Formats: sequence, C-alpha cells, structure tokens
Amino acid sequence: AIRMTQSPSSLSASTGDRVTITCRASQGISSYLAWYQQKPGKAPKLLIYAASTLQSGVPSRFSGSGSGTDFTLTISCLQSEDFATYYCQQYYSYPQWTFGQGTKVEIK
Amino acid sequence: QVQLVESGGGVVQPGGSLRLSCAASGFTFSSYGMHWVRQAPGKGLEWVAFIRYDGSNKYYADSVKGRFTISRDNSKNTLYLQMNSLRAEDTAVYYCAKDSRRDDYGDYHDYWGQGTLVTVSS
Repeated sequence: AIRMTQSPSSLSASTGDRVTITCRASQGISSYLAWYQQKPGKAPKLLIYAASTLQSGVPSRFSGSGSGTDFTLTISCLQSEDFATYYCQQYYSYPQWTFGQGTKVEIK
Repeated sequence: QVQLVESGGGVVQPGGSLRLSCAASGFTFSSYGMHWVRQAPGKGLEWVAFIRYDGSNKYYADSVKGRFTISRDNSKNTLYLQMNSLRAEDTAVYYCAKDSRRDDYGDYHDYWGQGTLVTVSS
C-alpha cells in the first residue's frame, strides 16, 4: 500500500503569513494527488486535485505543486478562515485510496 | 447543488451490527462511484470502501474487509454501509463521499456528507 506522509504535523502561523505543507508518497503517484481542508466538527472539503488544479470556488491564495513523490500545498496569505487541518490523498493506486495523517494549522 | 446526508449511526455493542445510509441529491447518482471514509475521534481520515456507479465492483480497506459491505440503490439515490462484527476500533464518524469521475473508475472525492457517528462500546 502507498503511504502518504505529511510534514509538519502541526504549525503555528499568523494571519498574512505564507504557509507551506509537504506531502510525500512512498512510491511515485504521478499527479494523482488531492488536498482537503477540514474544520473542527465539519466534513472535509476538496481544495485541489491533480496536484495543482484548484477546485471551483476555492480562493486563489491556495496552490498546489509537485509530481511523483513530493508535493506541496501553499497558502500565500493566510486568512482567519484558513485555520484548519489539511490532508493530502493519493488516488493513483485504484482501488485503494490513502490519506496523509494531516497537518493542523493553528493561530500563533 | 450536491447534497449527501448520512444517517444510521449510533451506539452498538462490540460484535454487533449497524447499517448506515447516505441519501444523495443534486447530481445523477447512478453515474458516479461512491465512497465511505471514516475518522476516529481526534484522528485522521481513513478510506473504508468504494462502489462503482453501477454497483458492479466493490472495494474495501483491509481493516474492514469481510465485515463491512457497501451497496447502493440507484432507484432510491441511496448508498449503504452494512457493518457487522463491530469492534471498538470501528468507533468513528463515517462520511459518504461522491467520486469525481463519471461512469468510470474511482478518483478523488469532490463532495462529502456531514457524517454520522458510530460508537462501539459495551
């Protein structure tokens, strides 16, 4: 099974900061990677798919990059509503999907 | 707009059974594969099961294989998860999620329900 490892597990940042989260796959997954945002008590929300394609309605301050085994999610200018937990997910190894362990973005 | 509404969660004893439902609306349910994803309290997301748009193929995580059964009724726009031989480690919020690909294999999850809590405890 493909393992997804995110780093860091948590981070503290201030509004206006640039934030980068990394996701590494245990083997190559091309660009079959999605990023989700989850706020406490809520369902996950799709932010990015195909490693770098922004889901409709998602603010442009979110961006994704990478291919193969190494991927990043960047929030260019952190807003108050962005404090949440972020998960990467690979969908390369159909029919098995795996998520990273999550990165919690907290207020400094 | 796409809506997914889960129901059927509750408290069940170890070894017991429970059936979850997910009512879908706002899209052509019969054209999309569907997933169940769970999240134990304070933990991350775990993919549980997938069913193709026509119900022809079903896939499971190793942690639930042989105990859980995913199914769908396209005439009722409803997804199900039958959970048998439940264990304490199955305690989680269970989400249904729509697959993004139409009439094809599974991909990423573009819409999620609000989740239903299953607690396995004596």
